[in-house]
Amino acid sequence: QKEVEQNSGPLSVPEGAIASLNCTYSDRGSQSFFWYRQYSGKSPELIMFIYSNGDKEDGRFTAQLNKASQYVSLLIRDSQPSDSATYLCAVQGGYSSASKIIFGSGTRLSIRP
Amino acid sequence: EAGVAQSPRYKIIEKRQSVAFWCNPISGHATLYWYQQILGQGPKLLIQFQNNGVVDDSQLPKDRFSAERLKGVDSTLKIQPAKLEDSAVYLCASSLLAGGHNEQYFGPGTRLTVT
Repeated sequence: QKEVEQNSGPLSVPEGAIASLNCTYSDRGSQSFFWYRQYSGKSPELIMFIYSNGDKEDGRFTAQLNKASQYVSLLIRDSQPSDSATYLCAVQGGYSSASKIIFGSGTRLSIRP
Repeated sequence: EAGVAQSPRYKIIEKRQSVAFWCNPISGHATLYWYQQILGQGPKLLIQFQNNGVVDDSQLPKDRFSAERLKGVDSTLKIQPAKLEDSAVYLCASSLLAGGHNEQYFGPGTRLTVT
């Protein structure tokens, strides 16, 4: 069983619409959750993190966390062609610097004009 | 603030040859990670350092891969001898533990091709 699961996509969304990306994880003790954006041929870039149940908003991005359901999502409002990338979900297992961080395989997002 | 530095950016070698990658983390970041990313997959942790000590190297193929972080700052990852399946991007990341959360920042990566 994969520890962090994401739908590989591609997820195609029209420009201006809301893109919804989902991630589930298996370790119920996980404490920290991250979303990275990775453009083709580039390295991952941290765009959002969330540590508590509920929603966290930053500009056009909203991260949602539900620890009971072991589910974290990323919403992108007013999607732009520049949002086309692979989005990686990463989950940290504990509170220490030694805590393991596991990445999902990513969801490829394509914004169509 | 300077980001994570890596070199070289690209490397092409033949199988059975050796190769080394270098990483300099963001200043003040105690934790340093080496990841392997194969096309179409998420990054896979190879080794994690806290200062100059190893925290996790459970997925490092120790028969051919080695890594060190002398003086708790920059780090090198070595592969000897390389195999075809080592073709991947090798990513270095660093993090500063903040309130128990490790926000990682990645370098540009080294794309390795083994022929």
